[in-house]
Amino acid sequence: DIVMTQSPDSLAVSLGERATIKCKSSQSVLFSSDKKNYLAWYQQKPGQSPKLLIYWASTRESGVPDRFSGSGSGTEFTLTISSLQAEDVAVYYCQQYYSTPYTFGQGTKLEIK
Amino acid sequence: QVQLQESGPGLVKPSETLSLTCTVSGGSITNYYWSWIRQPPGKGLEWIGYIYYTGSTNYNPSLKSRVTLSVDTSNNQFSLRLTSVTAADTAVYYCAGLGDMGYYFDSWGQGTLVTASS
Repeated sequence: DIVMTQSPDSLAVSLGERATIKCKSSQSVLFSSDKKNYLAWYQQKPGQSPKLLIYWASTRESGVPDRFSGSGSGTEFTLTISSLQAEDVAVYYCQQYYSTPYTFGQGTKLEIK
Repeated sequence: QVQLQESGPGLVKPSETLSLTCTVSGGSITNYYWSWIRQPPGKGLEWIGYIYYTGSTNYNPSLKSRVTLSVDTSNNQFSLRLTSVTAADTAVYYCAGLGDMGYYFDSWGQGTLVTASS
């Protein structure tokens, strides 16, 4: 299984400031034939189901604000929120879909400082 | 975008079978992959498996011996059976749709808490 490790486990950022969450995979999720990174990011607000934010490591899902961006390749990835808003308080998960079993990171809890 | 809704018992006795159904509305169940994911209270997400509308399946090896997914295209539903449950199977169970022919989860149900307890 591919192990996904996120850092940090929790993060407190001031409103309007940048938030950065890292995700590392135990093996590359870059598929050589199509040059795509098989990685997604999700946001889970308290009491809600997860919501897709980013797929193919950097493609924003329709309707997701452009303050959310994804980057990285191979085994190291980053989710960046450029200017934190109050509604961004949530737990964020990365997920690899390079191979089954699909696996998620342990989650990063984002709070307001 | 499609809407998904889980249904089934919220309490299952240890050693018995957990059965849940997901109803898809606002779109067809065909030409899409469908999945179950669970989340123990206060913990992270675990993928259980997926099923294509044709009935083709792929299961997490950690649960494979106890899991069966099935699909009912006439009713736009797919289902999960998990046998021999223990307290460790207590979790919120989500059904989800997979985008791009079986990769990331682009639609989710609201989730249903299933507690394994006598």
